[in-house]
Amino acid sequence: NAGVTQTPKFRILKIGQSMTLQCAQDMNHNYMYWYRQDPGMGLKLIYYSVGAGITDKGEVPNGYNVSRSTTEDFPLRLELAAPSQTSVYFCASSFGPNTGELFFGEGSRLTVL
Amino acid sequence: GENVEQHPSTLSVQEGDSAVIKCTYSDSASNYFPWYKQELGKRPQLIIDIRSNVGEKKDQRIAVTLNKTAKHFSLHITETQPEDSAVYFCAAKSARQLTFGSGTQLTVLP
Repeated sequence: NAGVTQTPKFRILKIGQSMTLQCAQDMNHNYMYWYRQDPGMGLKLIYYSVGAGITDKGEVPNGYNVSRSTTEDFPLRLELAAPSQTSVYFCASSFGPNTGELFFGEGSRLTVL
Repeated sequence: GENVEQHPSTLSVQEGDSAVIKCTYSDSASNYFPWYKQELGKRPQLIIDIRSNVGEKKDQRIAVTLNKTAKHFSLHITETQPEDSAVYFCAAKSARQLTFGSGTQLTVLP
């Protein structure tokens, strides 16, 4: 099992560019999440999904979009990148709502200049 | 929505001493409270968790206590070791979402 795999690990974007952060899990988990972590701060939920075809907003969804066409994949799309989106992004998954442990990917460090 | 506050933001202890980190939450419907450890440059990893029907849980040198009435929970690490140095996050789960505290940087001094 690879667990949760995120790509890319590092990326530098110019203001106004767009990109997609990829996330895949091979644990057959229903729930998947995207968090961002700013320096010295906790993890803020951007979007989450409870299964293929179902997504919902978290705390800080503005400037992002997601899709969940399969159980395995949960990509995060950044449209019109802004400096405020400079952060470390973590994808995570869990089996279901009553099994709480989140399994995190290694993170993607994004810098917007 | 849920709001989780975590204190202190930084904590330094001598090796062998105990460390305590405290969190409060706002949503009385929250029923699951995990603690994650994040080493520098690494992903967060679950170290212990507690559900709302339990008041205390221990796992070797780590323990978590929960006071539902006061809506606070705490992480206790005994006999601290240098490898315990990391950022610790508490979290509270209500509905479908897990809300994290802002983290505590624990430094264990040799």
